[in-house]
This record gives sequence, C-alpha cells and structure tokens, in this order.
Amino acid sequence: NAGVTQTPKFQVLKTGQSMTLQCAQDMNHEYMSWYRQDPGMGLRLIHYSVGAGITDQGEVPNGYNVSRSTTEDFPLRLLSAAPSQTSVYFCASTRRALGDNTGELFFGEGSRLTVL
Amino acid sequence: AQSVSQHNHHVILSEAASLELGCNYSYGGTVNLFWYVQYPGQHLQLLLKYFSGDPLVKGIKGFEAEFIKSKFSFNLRTPSVQWSDTAEYFCAVNRRQTSNTGKLIFGQGTTLQVKP
Repeated sequence: NAGVTQTPKFQVLKTGQSMTLQCAQDMNHEYMSWYRQDPGMGLRLIHYSVGAGITDQGEVPNGYNVSRSTTEDFPLRLLSAAPSQTSVYFCASTRRALGDNTGELFFGEGSRLTVL
Repeated sequence: AQSVSQHNHHVILSEAASLELGCNYSYGGTVNLFWYVQYPGQHLQLLLKYFSGDPLVKGIKGFEAEFIKSKFSFNLRTPSVQWSDTAEYFCAVNRRQTSNTGKLIFGQGTTLQVKP
C-alpha cells in the first residue's frame, strides 16, 4: 500500500496565485486532515474531514479551502496565495474508533510551498 | 484551549548520552498521548503512544515515555542516544471523545542533534 500520497512535493507561487495540494490515501480511512508546519510552532491543523461530504475548520483555516468528494481524496486549495502561507503542508489520515484505536495519524511526505 | 508545551526546543548531545524531552499538556479530561519523530527530509512517524493501562510505554528504537496524570506530563526518554536519532520530536495530544477526528494538538517540537 502507498499509504498517504501528497503532490506536489515542492511548489513556488507568486502572491495572488491559486493552487491545489493533492492528498490521497489508500487505507480506507474515514478521517483526513491537513496540517501546516512552521519553525518553532509545531504542526497546526488547517482543516479536517470525518468522511466524504463532511469537512470542518481547524486552528488556522483562513485562506484555505477543502472538499471531500470521496473517501480517498482530500485536496487543499489556496485561493489567493500570500507569503504568510509559505510553509510545509502535511496531509494525514486515521481510521474510525475500533478497539484500542487512539486516532494515530498516518502522514504523507509533505509539500513544501514557497509564496513570493 | 488545549495546548501542548515542549520545554526543550533544541538539544545537542553526544552519542551514548541519556535523553529526556519534556512534554506537558493543558487539557484536564481523558486524553491519548503521542510522540512523533521526523527524521531529516522525511515525514512524521509514530514513535510511541499512550492510550490506557501501564503509564510507562515503550516505542521503537529504545525510546519510552511515562504518562504522569497528576503532572499532565508525557516525557520521552532513552538511556543512550545514537547519531541516527538526530531528528525533530513532537509531542501530541487528542481528547478521548474526539480521538478519531484527526485533531491532534501538537507541541512546538524539539530538535535533537546527536554528535558522533
């Protein structure tokens, strides 16, 4: 299994441009989420989804949009890129509670975005 | 709001030295606790987790962590670090009742540099 796959791995944008970060998982996980990682701030939750058709905001949702049309895919859209969105973005997934499932997240390899 | 605090931001050790990384969280309810590791250029991987039972949990590569409920702490330890342990370490928490929504709260991270 591939696990969680993110594309692209690197991207440079100009201020005001839009783009979509793709995320796909093949583990049949119900839950998916997007985090951004910034130096000294750890990972902060942007948006998450508990299933197809259901999304909600995390800690830092402004400037980002998500949708969940299938269980497998959870794209993150930057509507009008700003330099403050320069970061490393991680997609993650986890499965519904069964037994001792603790909500352990499985992460993609990350997408490094630079906004000039 | 929930928060996770990691006390050591940058730690430099020589090989074979002992390591303890501090982690405290603010939530007073029932929680699941995690330590993730991010090796240079790689995505986050689970090092160990606490769900219930024995508060001393063992993870991969000789790491262990102790959950002390009265201190809201989940410190990571190893008796002898290796050069290959050079990485960034993140403590994370989720609330037991929302444990499966992918909503982990992460600490700021600790960068560990091990000198050969």
